Amino acid sequence: DTAVSQTPKYLVTQMGNDKSIKCEQNLGHDTMYWYKQDSKKFLKIMFSYNNKELIINETVPNRFSPKSPDKAHLNLHINSLELGDSAVYFCASRRSSMNTEAFFGQGTRLTVV
Amino acid sequence: SQKIEQNSEALNIQEGKTATLTCNYTNYSPAYLQWYRQDPGRGPVFLLLIRENEKEKRKERLKVTFDTTLKQSLFHITASQPADSATYLCALSRSGGSYIPTFGRGTSLIVHP
Repeated sequence: DTAVSQTPKYLVTQMGNDKSIKCEQNLGHDTMYWYKQDSKKFLKIMFSYNNKELIINETVPNRFSPKSPDKAHLNLHINSLELGDSAVYFCASRRSSMNTEAFFGQGTRLTVV
Repeated sequence: SQKIEQNSEALNIQEGKTATLTCNYTNYSPAYLQWYRQDPGRGPVFLLLIRENEKEKRKERLKVTFDTTLKQSLFHITASQPADSATYLCALSRSGGSYIPTFGRGTSLIVHP
């Protein structure tokens, strides 16, 4: 069983479109994250979310929004896509009561054309 | 601002030798430091975690040191194998529920047979 799964794995779309990336974890974790990895392989935090608080990296445009229908899911919605949004997006989760590792999904490669 | 620095140049070593990767940080007081491995097209996978009050941690062929005075961690792979070839990321975090792992850019390791 995949611990953290993202869909789709690849997403090609045109500028100006709105798209969503789904993330699900079956580990019973209470905290989930979205990271963006650019072409230089830098893994940058976008959002941290648990059932108590949402922490937003202030550099993330408000076209990006996380939505959590339940504790096992944290989806990423992106409005009005721009060329610069092209990157690999990773979802991750961890149990906040234990200061241990984060588990990552396999990533979604987003290409905006 | 916080900075986490890892060698941007790839580290090339011969099979059987010990690989040593470096992670330096500034303007940060981490409670935890973690090392992850990332293969092409995959999400990061956790390897080791070391706490600020620990000097050294080992797991099989892996060893991590953490010097909070030098603000540096060293990651060693002994008896390296071609299968160890990957990008290795260090991540720092503070303690607590809002712990968000902050990553360095990673160092690519290439082990030649």
